[in-house]
Amino acid sequence: QKEVEQDPGPLSVPEGAIVSLNCTYSNSAFQYFMWYRQYSRKGPELLMYTYSSGNKEDGRFTAQVDKSSKYISLFIRDSQPSDSATYLCAMTGGTGNQFYFGTGTSLTVIP
Amino acid sequence: NAGVTQTPKFQVLKTGQSMTLQCAQDMNHEYMSWYRQDPGMGLRLIHYSVGAGITDQGEVPNGYNVSRSTTEDFPLRLLSAAPSQTSVYFCASRRTGANNQPQHFGDGTRLSIL
Repeated sequence: QKEVEQDPGPLSVPEGAIVSLNCTYSNSAFQYFMWYRQYSRKGPELLMYTYSSGNKEDGRFTAQVDKSSKYISLFIRDSQPSDSATYLCAMTGGTGNQFYFGTGTSLTVIP
Repeated sequence: NAGVTQTPKFQVLKTGQSMTLQCAQDMNHEYMSWYRQDPGMGLRLIHYSVGAGITDQGEVPNGYNVSRSTTEDFPLRLLSAAPSQTSVYFCASRRTGANNQPQHFGDGTRLSIL
């Protein structure tokens, strides 16, 4: 079983839609959770970083962590064509020397 | 600040050749790491370092060597390239200490082994 599971999509939505991206994980030691955005032929860019359970909001982006269900989500409100990218979840715990990534969800926002 | 810089951006090698992928960061981060990214596999950790002179293996270390002589640089060496090492390689760095700070990535090296 993989440490982190993420639906690869692809996901296609109209401009202005609310997008929900999700990951599940198996290791209860994970405490730090991240979402990265990766444009084609570029490196992953950090979007959101949260510790333990709860919600965090930054502009149009909201990250949610439910440690009891081992489930994390990223919501994008008022989606824009510029949000078209692959979104990667990542997590770590303990020393933080090893980060575990989902395989990424490909998102296309249609104008 | 340039952040994390990787060179070269593209490289084609023949089986059995050796090469070094370069990674440099100017953020004075203690932790540096190398990942490979393959379709359907996500990012997989090859090697990491928590400071100069200290390195350790990740999930997929076979066929790769690393060393860390300075805080800024963390080169990845392929001693004898194999077609299975065709991939996109990313270097990342982060501050260590409290709260396990997230990693910052370079833009990758696209490597093809013929």
